[in-house]
Amino acid sequence: GNSVTQMEGPVTLSEEAFLTINCTYTATGYPSLFWYVQYPGEGLQLLLKATKADDKGSNKGFEATYRKETTSFHLEKGSVQVSDSAVYFCVTGSSYKLIFGSGTRLLVRP
Amino acid sequence: NAGVTQTPKFQVLKTGQSMTLQCAQDMNHNSMYWYRQDPGMGLRLIYYSASEGTTDKGEVPNGYNVSRLNKREFSLRLESAAPSQTSVYFCASSALSGGAQETQYFGPGTRLLVL
Repeated sequence: GNSVTQMEGPVTLSEEAFLTINCTYTATGYPSLFWYVQYPGEGLQLLLKATKADDKGSNKGFEATYRKETTSFHLEKGSVQVSDSAVYFCVTGSSYKLIFGSGTRLLVRP
Repeated sequence: NAGVTQTPKFQVLKTGQSMTLQCAQDMNHNSMYWYRQDPGMGLRLIYYSASEGTTDKGEVPNGYNVSRLNKREFSLRLESAAPSQTSVYFCASSALSGGAQETQYFGPGTRLLVL
């Protein structure tokens, strides 16, 4: 079945540093790919999504491109802020459900 | 517009006790979901409901039952709690009939501790 693998955390960065969180997927068909974010003490919320190959999702300065040739959907941000500290989940879909990666905790220090 | 709400926020149970977790959404969504989140494992689907009156098992349904009371409400019941059910439970909803393309909207979670 479909699955995602994302880099383990925690990832600790200084404010204004460049962020990459790697995510690779296995899938039959062409499911959408998502990044969800969970801020401390809150539920998950959609950060961005891409529905087909070569699509780029973007939101709040974060970007990710659906790469079919490398089966990847890496999350990037050019300059992180302390407020970006959260857990980030790479997610794919399979028929009726979403399939979540294990999450990557990001800690941004001032 | 409250989105997805869950009650309670935190609960402690003894092994063998029962309880019901409540979830409601005010977005007129068709599909609703229950997940559990355990450390280092992401979220796993327990049950889902693609429309009012239907429910289906997800990845980890054992030990749980659900009820889609109406379009707004989807409850999760633990009949006889076990320590292995200690987890954070999230309810979610999506607009249409569910599936790999839809965005899901999550509640704030219920933290459950079973002693």
